[in-house]
Amino acid sequence: GESVGLHLPTLSVQEGDNSIINCAYSNSASDYFIWYKQESGKGPQFIIDIRSNMDKRQGQRVTVLLNKTVKHLSLQIAATQPGDSAVYFCAESLGYGQNFVFGPGTRLSVLP
Amino acid sequence: NAGVTQTPKFQVLKTGQSMTLQCAQDMNHEYMSWYRQDPGMGLRLIHYSVGAGITDQGEVPNGYNVSRSTTEDFPLRLLSAAPSQTSVYFCASSYSKGTGYTGELFFGEGSRLTVL
Repeated sequence: GESVGLHLPTLSVQEGDNSIINCAYSNSASDYFIWYKQESGKGPQFIIDIRSNMDKRQGQRVTVLLNKTVKHLSLQIAATQPGDSAVYFCAESLGYGQNFVFGPGTRLSVLP
Repeated sequence: NAGVTQTPKFQVLKTGQSMTLQCAQDMNHEYMSWYRQDPGMGLRLIHYSVGAGITDQGEVPNGYNVSRSTTEDFPLRLLSAAPSQTSVYFCASSYSKGTGYTGELFFGEGSRLTVL
Protein backbone atom coordinates (compact mmCIF):
# COMPACT_ATOMS: atom_id res chain seq x y z
CA GLY A 1 0.00 0.00 0.00
CA GLU A 2 0.95 3.62 0.02
CA SER A 3 2.97 4.37 3.09
CA VAL A 4 5.95 6.19 4.36
CA GLY A 5 8.69 3.84 5.43
CA LEU A 6 11.23 3.71 8.19
CA HIS A 7 14.94 3.57 7.54
CA LEU A 8 16.19 3.27 11.11
CA PRO A 9 14.15 2.82 14.25
CA THR A 10 16.74 4.33 16.60
CA LEU A 11 19.56 6.81 16.26
CA SER A 12 22.07 7.84 18.90
CA VAL A 13 24.27 10.91 18.48
CA GLN A 14 26.67 12.83 20.64
CA GLU A 15 25.57 16.20 21.89
CA GLY A 16 26.84 18.85 19.50
CA ASP A 17 27.04 16.52 16.51
CA ASN A 18 24.75 16.74 13.50
CA SER A 19 21.89 14.25 13.16
CA ILE A 20 20.43 12.87 9.96
CA ILE A 21 17.10 11.07 10.03
CA ASN A 22 15.95 9.37 6.85
CA CYS A 23 12.58 8.44 5.47
CA ALA A 24 11.35 6.74 2.31
CA TYR A 25 7.97 7.30 0.73
CA SER A 26 6.26 5.10 -1.80
CA ASN A 27 3.69 7.33 -3.47
CA SER A 28 5.28 9.37 -6.21
CA ALA A 29 2.13 11.50 -6.37
CA SER A 30 2.61 12.84 -2.84
CA ASP A 31 3.24 16.54 -3.06
CA TYR A 32 3.66 17.74 0.51
CA PHE A 33 5.81 16.42 3.33
CA ILE A 34 6.19 17.29 6.99
CA TRP A 35 8.56 16.27 9.75
CA TYR A 36 7.08 15.99 13.23
CA LYS A 37 8.74 15.65 16.62
CA GLN A 38 7.03 13.73 19.39
CA GLU A 39 8.23 13.89 22.95
CA SER A 40 7.20 11.27 25.47
CA GLY A 41 3.55 11.58 26.47
CA LYS A 42 2.83 14.41 24.07
CA GLY A 43 1.30 14.91 20.68
CA PRO A 44 3.44 15.37 17.57
CA GLN A 45 4.74 18.87 16.94
CA PHE A 46 5.50 20.40 13.57
CA ILE A 47 9.18 20.87 12.76
CA ILE A 48 9.43 21.72 9.10
CA ASP A 49 7.64 21.09 5.84
CA ILE A 50 8.51 20.93 2.16
CA ARG A 51 6.53 20.83 -1.05
CA SER A 52 7.36 18.62 -3.98
CA ASN A 53 8.49 21.56 -6.11
CA MET A 54 11.41 22.09 -3.75
CA ASP A 55 14.57 20.06 -3.02
CA LYS A 56 15.64 21.68 0.20
CA ARG A 57 14.23 23.85 2.92
CA GLN A 58 15.96 25.23 5.96
CA GLY A 59 14.69 26.25 9.33
CA GLN A 60 16.33 27.04 12.60
CA ARG A 61 18.96 24.29 13.06
CA VAL A 62 16.93 21.95 10.83
CA THR A 63 17.07 21.21 7.12
CA VAL A 64 14.79 18.97 5.12
CA LEU A 65 15.97 17.45 1.86
CA LEU A 66 13.66 15.90 -0.70
CA ASN A 67 14.89 13.57 -3.43
CA LYS A 68 11.94 12.80 -5.68
CA THR A 69 13.99 10.56 -7.95
CA VAL A 70 14.43 7.95 -5.24
CA LYS A 71 11.46 9.05 -3.13
CA HIS A 72 13.59 9.90 -0.14
CA LEU A 73 13.20 12.51 2.57
CA SER A 74 15.72 13.42 5.23
CA LEU A 75 15.84 15.67 8.27
CA GLN A 76 19.13 17.16 9.33
CA ILE A 77 19.51 18.63 12.80
CA ALA A 78 22.58 20.75 13.38
CA ALA A 79 24.40 20.80 16.70
CA THR A 80 22.06 18.28 18.30
CA GLN A 81 21.00 19.14 21.83
CA PRO A 82 19.55 17.02 24.66
CA GLY A 83 16.19 18.66 24.03
CA ASP A 84 16.19 17.12 20.57
CA SER A 85 15.75 13.65 22.07
CA ALA A 86 12.37 12.45 20.80
CA VAL A 87 10.71 10.34 18.14
CA TYR A 88 10.70 11.91 14.70
CA PHE A 89 8.06 11.12 12.12
CA CYS A 90 7.95 11.94 8.47
CA ALA A 91 4.53 12.31 6.90
CA GLU A 92 3.38 12.59 3.31
CA SER A 93 0.20 14.14 2.07
CA LEU A 94 -2.00 12.55 -0.53
CA GLY A 95 -4.05 15.65 -1.16
CA TYR A 96 -3.86 19.31 -0.20
CA GLY A 97 -1.97 18.62 2.99
CA GLN A 98 -4.89 17.19 4.85
CA ASN A 99 -4.78 13.41 5.12
CA PHE A 100 -1.24 12.56 6.00
CA VAL A 101 0.38 9.13 5.94
CA PHE A 102 2.95 8.78 8.69
CA GLY A 103 6.06 6.68 8.85
CA PRO A 104 6.80 4.47 11.90
CA GLY A 105 9.21 7.02 13.32
CA THR A 106 12.85 7.17 14.42
CA ARG A 107 13.83 7.55 18.06
CA LEU A 108 16.68 10.01 18.44
CA SER A 109 18.77 9.77 21.60
CA VAL A 110 21.31 12.46 22.36
CA LEU A 111 24.28 11.26 24.38
CA PRO A 112 26.09 13.64 26.75
CA ASN B 1 -5.07 29.71 23.11
CA ALA B 2 -5.89 26.19 24.24
CA GLY B 3 -5.34 24.74 20.73
CA VAL B 4 -6.61 21.16 20.46
CA THR B 5 -8.04 19.71 23.66
CA GLN B 6 -8.70 16.01 24.13
CA THR B 7 -10.57 14.31 26.96
CA PRO B 8 -10.16 11.99 28.72
CA LYS B 9 -6.38 11.56 28.84
CA PHE B 10 -6.67 8.00 30.13
CA GLN B 11 -9.48 5.47 29.98
CA VAL B 12 -9.86 1.77 30.74
CA LEU B 13 -12.78 -0.10 29.20
CA LYS B 14 -14.03 -3.65 29.24
CA THR B 15 -14.67 -5.43 25.98
CA GLY B 16 -18.05 -4.49 24.59
CA GLN B 17 -18.36 -1.18 26.41
CA SER B 18 -18.89 2.04 24.50
CA MET B 19 -17.37 5.44 25.00
CA THR B 20 -16.68 8.76 23.32
CA LEU B 21 -13.35 10.50 23.05
CA GLN B 22 -13.85 14.23 22.97
CA CYS B 23 -11.89 16.67 20.82
CA ALA B 24 -12.29 20.43 20.69
CA GLN B 25 -10.27 23.13 18.95
CA ASP B 26 -10.49 26.88 19.36
CA MET B 27 -8.56 27.90 16.23
CA ASN B 28 -11.55 27.95 13.89
CA HIS B 29 -9.98 25.17 11.83
CA GLU B 30 -12.16 23.58 9.21
CA TYR B 31 -10.21 20.33 8.99
CA MET B 32 -10.18 17.88 11.91
CA SER B 33 -9.05 14.29 12.12
CA TRP B 34 -8.48 11.35 14.43
CA TYR B 35 -5.37 9.16 14.39
CA ARG B 36 -4.39 6.14 16.43
CA GLN B 37 -0.82 5.37 17.39
CA ASP B 38 0.35 1.87 18.20
CA PRO B 39 3.82 0.81 19.41
CA GLY B 40 6.38 0.71 16.62
CA MET B 41 3.97 2.17 14.12
CA GLY B 42 3.26 5.60 12.83
CA LEU B 43 -0.03 7.35 13.24
CA ARG B 44 -2.88 5.90 11.22
CA LEU B 45 -5.85 7.97 10.12
CA ILE B 46 -9.23 6.80 11.45
CA HIS B 47 -11.71 9.47 10.32
CA TYR B 48 -11.53 13.04 9.19
CA SER B 49 -13.78 16.02 8.54
CA VAL B 50 -13.32 18.97 6.19
CA GLY B 51 -16.07 21.00 7.82
CA ALA B 52 -19.21 20.90 9.92
CA GLY B 53 -21.59 18.22 8.69
CA ILE B 54 -18.94 16.48 6.57
CA THR B 55 -17.02 13.38 7.63
CA ASP B 56 -15.16 10.65 5.81
CA GLN B 57 -13.24 7.48 6.52
CA GLY B 58 -9.51 7.20 6.77
CA GLU B 59 -7.23 4.18 6.69
CA VAL B 60 -8.61 2.32 9.75
CA PRO B 61 -12.26 3.36 10.31
CA ASN B 62 -13.78 0.03 11.41
CA GLY B 63 -15.19 0.11 14.95
CA TYR B 64 -15.29 3.89 15.13
CA ASN B 65 -17.92 6.53 14.41
CA VAL B 66 -17.60 10.28 14.16
CA SER B 67 -19.82 13.30 13.71
CA ARG B 68 -19.16 17.01 13.16
CA SER B 69 -22.05 19.15 14.26
CA THR B 70 -19.92 22.23 14.97
CA THR B 71 -16.63 23.59 13.70
CA GLU B 72 -15.09 23.26 17.16
CA ASP B 73 -15.93 19.67 18.12
CA PHE B 74 -15.11 16.31 16.57
CA PRO B 75 -15.94 13.39 18.92
CA LEU B 76 -14.81 9.83 18.23
CA ARG B 77 -17.16 7.06 19.33
CA LEU B 78 -16.31 3.46 20.06
CA LEU B 79 -19.60 1.56 19.92
CA SER B 80 -18.36 -1.81 21.23
CA ALA B 81 -14.77 -1.69 22.41
CA ALA B 82 -12.38 -4.51 21.51
CA PRO B 83 -8.86 -5.23 22.81
CA SER B 84 -7.53 -4.40 19.34
CA GLN B 85 -8.62 -0.81 19.96
CA THR B 86 -6.13 -0.43 22.79
CA SER B 87 -4.06 2.48 21.56
CA VAL B 88 -3.21 6.14 21.96
CA TYR B 89 -5.62 8.35 20.07
CA PHE B 90 -4.73 11.77 18.72
CA CYS B 91 -7.02 14.43 17.43
CA ALA B 92 -5.57 16.96 14.99
CA SER B 93 -6.82 20.02 13.16
CA SER B 94 -5.61 22.34 10.45
CA TYR B 95 -6.76 25.38 8.55
CA SER B 96 -8.34 24.29 5.31
CA LYS B 97 -8.17 26.58 2.33
CA GLY B 98 -10.24 24.33 0.13
CA THR B 99 -7.96 23.85 -2.80
CA GLY B 100 -4.76 25.04 -1.20
CA TYR B 101 -2.26 23.46 1.12
CA THR B 102 -3.46 23.39 4.70
CA GLY B 103 -0.06 23.29 6.25
CA GLU B 104 0.70 21.67 9.53
CA LEU B 105 -1.59 19.59 11.64
CA PHE B 106 -2.01 20.76 15.21
CA PHE B 107 -2.27 17.79 17.55
CA GLY B 108 -3.85 17.31 20.93
CA GLU B 109 -1.98 15.66 23.80
CA GLY B 110 -3.55 12.28 23.17
CA SER B 111 -5.99 9.91 24.88
CA ARG B 112 -4.59 6.60 26.07
CA LEU B 113 -7.24 3.87 25.86
CA THR B 114 -6.92 0.35 27.26
CA VAL B 115 -9.54 -2.26 26.46
CA LEU B 116 -9.51 -5.32 28.72
